[in-house]
Amino acid sequence: AQKVTQAQTEISVVEKEDVTLDCVYETRDTTYYLFWYKQPPSGELVFLIRRNSFDEQNEISGRYSWNFQKSTSSFNFTITASQVVDSAVYFCALSEAYSGAGSYQLTFGKGTKLSVIP
Amino acid sequence: NAGVMQNPRHLVRRRGQEARLRCSPMKGHSHVYWYRQLPEEGLKFMVYLQKENIIDESGMPKERFSAEFPKEGPSILRIQQVVRGDSAAYFCASSPPGTSGRTLSTDTQYFGPGTRLTVL
Repeated sequence: AQKVTQAQTEISVVEKEDVTLDCVYETRDTTYYLFWYKQPPSGELVFLIRRNSFDEQNEISGRYSWNFQKSTSSFNFTITASQVVDSAVYFCALSEAYSGAGSYQLTFGKGTKLSVIP
Repeated sequence: NAGVMQNPRHLVRRRGQEARLRCSPMKGHSHVYWYRQLPEEGLKFMVYLQKENIIDESGMPKERFSAEFPKEGPSILRIQQVVRGDSAAYFCASSPPGTSGRTLSTDTQYFGPGTRLTVL
């Protein structure tokens, strides 16, 4: 069974600090996908990134970067020079390759609430 | 380019009433997923549908809940005889058709804004 653990329930940082959100996953599949979503106070879920299990290259998008380490089953997310608008709940998610009548359903971590203080 | 649309955004029902939640996928998307976000439990998968087919309903409660995605029109999540424990945010997500002849889509799921259901 697949599982995603986000050990940090809440994090507070002061604006312009860097912050890393941890995500550890468990899966028995060799083919899987990892995601990060952002849920701002308004409540919608915003897609940030998708990674497949065969691509361990780190990714950078502006102030956001992601570190995928298969050896430790981790997919951590770093925000550089945080801003107040980054305040949100961030979810890490996993979907496994499925055979038969299954689906690529997402298994979410419980989320990390990030508060960026001005 | 409209995203995933859900309505209503907020829904209040009394115990015993029915709740109908609607989801229109993004243009070109033929796969729909429903998730529920309960306080303290996080986001949980409920059901996966393609047009006129339920593909995976392993996350659906056995009673009172049903879902459909007709050939025309939005996907509907229906909750009969609601109870207080059904109060939650219900999110719909959509993804494009599978590539390379695959039936299942491996593409990213894009979420709608959610419907917040409150049962009094």
